Amino acid sequence: DTEVTQTPKHLVMGMTNKKSLKCEQHMGHRAMYWYKQKAKKPPELMFVYSYEKLSINESVPSRFSPECPNSSLLNLHLHALQPEDSALYLCASSQAGQLAEQYFGPGTRLTVT
Amino acid sequence: QKEVEQNSGPLSVPEGAIASLNCTYSDRGSQSFFWYRQYSGKSPELIMFIYSNGDKEDGRFTAQLNKASQYVSLLIRDSQPSDSATYLCAVSPNSGYSTLTFGKGTMLLVSP
Repeated sequence: DTEVTQTPKHLVMGMTNKKSLKCEQHMGHRAMYWYKQKAKKPPELMFVYSYEKLSINESVPSRFSPECPNSSLLNLHLHALQPEDSALYLCASSQAGQLAEQYFGPGTRLTVT
Repeated sequence: QKEVEQNSGPLSVPEGAIASLNCTYSDRGSQSFFWYRQYSGKSPELIMFIYSNGDKEDGRFTAQLNKASQYVSLLIRDSQPSDSATYLCAVSPNSGYSTLTFGKGTMLLVSP
């Protein structure tokens, strides 16, 4: 089973709202990732968690706040977003380590109004 | 700057033909190489990965890796209209983590 789930599928939020994206995997993976993907562009890495600790933050603005409550869950808290933050937000997971394959969830389509 | 280069396409092939997708990368220390298929509006789906020089076959898909020339390719045999998608090449740098650098993707169009 290579399933990563994400909720919600779609989210529309105003610039003053606070919302959260959720990601879950039950493959026993110990690395989880957040990516942002704009139309006709490849995914851009935002954050990497390894063994529930934040390992990489790709200079993401503080209005995006990741959280990894346990080895199966990954959240992305959103606050005071801008319209240019509208994108497909993808969660992925993998075994820890460099050679591991990453499996993506279906994504959350975010629109900031 | 670590880069992964792909032709953006579209690459158009008739149904039943072999589609050949190519990718070059700049980081000579890269260790692992992946091909993802992405349908419009959907998330990337892992279809092949390869770590060693040579060919790796899985069904209609063959991944080829040449580390000396720093290129990786994906062959799709007996192409079907359902193969029409964007194919993303991704490379994991020698960073200790499974971080991926993606190419911009090649759009494949298979005509019936």
